[in-house]
Amino acid sequence: GAVVSQHPSWVICKSGTSVKIECRSLDFQATTMFWYRQFPKQSLMLMATSNEGSKATYEQGVEKDKFLINHASLTLSTLTVTSAHPEDSSFYICSALGLYERYNEQFFGPGTRLTVL
Amino acid sequence: GQQLNQSPQSMFIQEGEDVSMNCTSSSIFNTWLWYKQEPGEGPVLLIALYKAGELTSNGRLTAQFGITRKDSFLNISASIPSDVGIYFCAGQLITGNQFYFGTGTSLTVIP
Repeated sequence: GAVVSQHPSWVICKSGTSVKIECRSLDFQATTMFWYRQFPKQSLMLMATSNEGSKATYEQGVEKDKFLINHASLTLSTLTVTSAHPEDSSFYICSALGLYERYNEQFFGPGTRLTVL
Repeated sequence: GQQLNQSPQSMFIQEGEDVSMNCTSSSIFNTWLWYKQEPGEGPVLLIALYKAGELTSNGRLTAQFGITRKDSFLNISASIPSDVGIYFCAGQLITGNQFYFGTGTSLTVIP
């Protein structure tokens, strides 16, 4: 399958700081990227959908001013958690959707574990 | 977001046994995907289904896209210890690109 990378894989920060997470599709062009959050022992919850060159669409209950998403190119999307607090600690996973071989498929990154102290 | 219900929530089985799990929703989906996630990692795609009634296999895994387009099934035959993990279904609505995830099925295989 296609490769999607995330950086960093693990970040620890102090409360009140901002953290940027990168998501890259390495061998295909992602027309759409998605950001998910996953709390321990729970399912993936879709936070937002971003299309290259346009504003992200946020799911209900997700604060767009707190979770800033930029999708500047077909291979890169970034999620910035602004003024992070301990309750933002979670596993953040991106996925990239694009034409891969014959079908539009969605591939996931390995995730970024955020711990806010 | 959409609610996809997966069952069972968890399974403990003996090595060699077959496994069945399903995913249901009140909404109609045009694509169903099945993923496996291991601790601390992102989900890995196992099988993709694109047409109602479609039955697709990937090794010991077989998945079906329900005729009503509101459900999907995943079967694992002759389970082995490395099948341990959490299995998620994901459905894509007709109206958008987003995939919504099921609640997950945690599988434990006892050697």
